Amino acid sequence: DADVTQTPRNRITKTGKRIMLECSQTKGHDRMYWYRQDPGLGLRLIYYSFDVKDINKGEISDGYSVSRQAQAKFSLSLESAIPNQTALYFCATSDLGRSGDEQFFGPGTRLTVL
Amino acid sequence: GENVEQHPSTLSVQEGDSAVIKCTYSDSASNYFPWYKQELGKRPQLIIDIRSNVGEKKDQRIAVTLNKTAKHFSLHITETQPEDSAVYFCAASETLGNEKLTFGTGTRLTIIP
Repeated sequence: DADVTQTPRNRITKTGKRIMLECSQTKGHDRMYWYRQDPGLGLRLIYYSFDVKDINKGEISDGYSVSRQAQAKFSLSLESAIPNQTALYFCATSDLGRSGDEQFFGPGTRLTVL
Repeated sequence: GENVEQHPSTLSVQEGDSAVIKCTYSDSASNYFPWYKQELGKRPQLIIDIRSNVGEKKDQRIAVTLNKTAKHFSLHITETQPEDSAVYFCAASETLGNEKLTFGTGTRLTIIP
């Protein structure tokens, strides 16, 4: 089945370290998103990309950067991790038209910054 | 930008009873309103959605209602079952090419057997 995958699934790192979270999809979707989930705060959009040459900031992009290496790959980087970036990170994809407006989420990456 | 408020944050109901979760939004241009369900340890999944040209939509035990004038929409689950226990998120978006969703803060629904 076509799917959205994320690596790693869990990561513990230290303050100041650079870290990259990766997202891959076999759905053939053009649109990809990165969210973070914190208890009581829901899902907040970090960055999104509507095609390979398109990158857009979401509501909480400070401290993050992204790279859309190909239609199927969208990576999130924390240049210098800090403890308040400890969260559950989700990648999602969508494709206007074929699947409507539904966003399909990956399994998540749990990141802990010590 | 859009702001979505969701209430209540937690909700417990007896199995077989109904559950209602409410959301309000701020941007009158929003016209697409999905609901996602996230079971414990799982990824969010779409369960139902509604567009602004429709006032109500049903899918078996789940229904969503939309009041554009008041800028609020609600999720109704009837005849609740243990498998309905999960966190539910509402969201709002302008469509027509922009699928950028703004999510509510979530409601943890617990079904009491």
